[in-house]
Amino acid sequence: GDQVEQSPSALSLHEGTGSALRCNFTTTMRAVQWFQQNSRGSLINLFYLASGTKENGRLKSTFNSKESYSTLHIRDAQLEDSGTYFCAAEAASSSFSKLVFGQGTSLSVVP
Amino acid sequence: NAGVIQTPRHKVTGKGQEATLWCEPISGHSAVFWYRQTIVQGLEFLTYFRNQAPIDDSGMPKERFSAQMPNQSHSTLKIQSTQPQDSAVYLCASSLGYEQYFGPGTRLTVL
Repeated sequence: GDQVEQSPSALSLHEGTGSALRCNFTTTMRAVQWFQQNSRGSLINLFYLASGTKENGRLKSTFNSKESYSTLHIRDAQLEDSGTYFCAAEAASSSFSKLVFGQGTSLSVVP
Repeated sequence: NAGVIQTPRHKVTGKGQEATLWCEPISGHSAVFWYRQTIVQGLEFLTYFRNQAPIDDSGMPKERFSAQMPNQSHSTLKIQSTQPQDSAVYLCASSLGYEQYFGPGTRLTVL
């Protein structure tokens, strides 16, 4: 079946530093979404990409459908960035917009 | 815009009882999705409606689970004869195009 492999599974950052999360796809994907799941469990939309790169504040995401991966870069991490980050992708073979989720990256930002 | 509304936020049922979960999509959105989140399986697609019509329920357990969308303002997910393994957070999402927006979820606990 369609699979999304997300790494790392857990990440600890000091405030002010940065890192990248990555999702690899085992099948051709049409688009990718990135979410932050906060402490209350709500999924917050970060990015929707059908191709290329988008940036929003301290976050930047890239989706390369040909090479089957997407990345989420976080810079100047803040305490409120802590939470679980998910990528989710739509298979190009699907006739509708079902999302296949990665297993998530648990991010902890520490002082 | 209130976002996707899900009720109840928490539900506790006894084994064998019925549970009905409600979702109100964002006004004007034509597609409604149901997903389930557990620690073991992560986030999984259950079913999808577009313009109130069921499009695909390939992720739904074949027994005991059913979903309906009687009008454009709400959808229900019904679980009959609930079992402990049905315990999960059930998430509803809606979309106008491709990007999906999620509700806060209903945490179902089956004792």
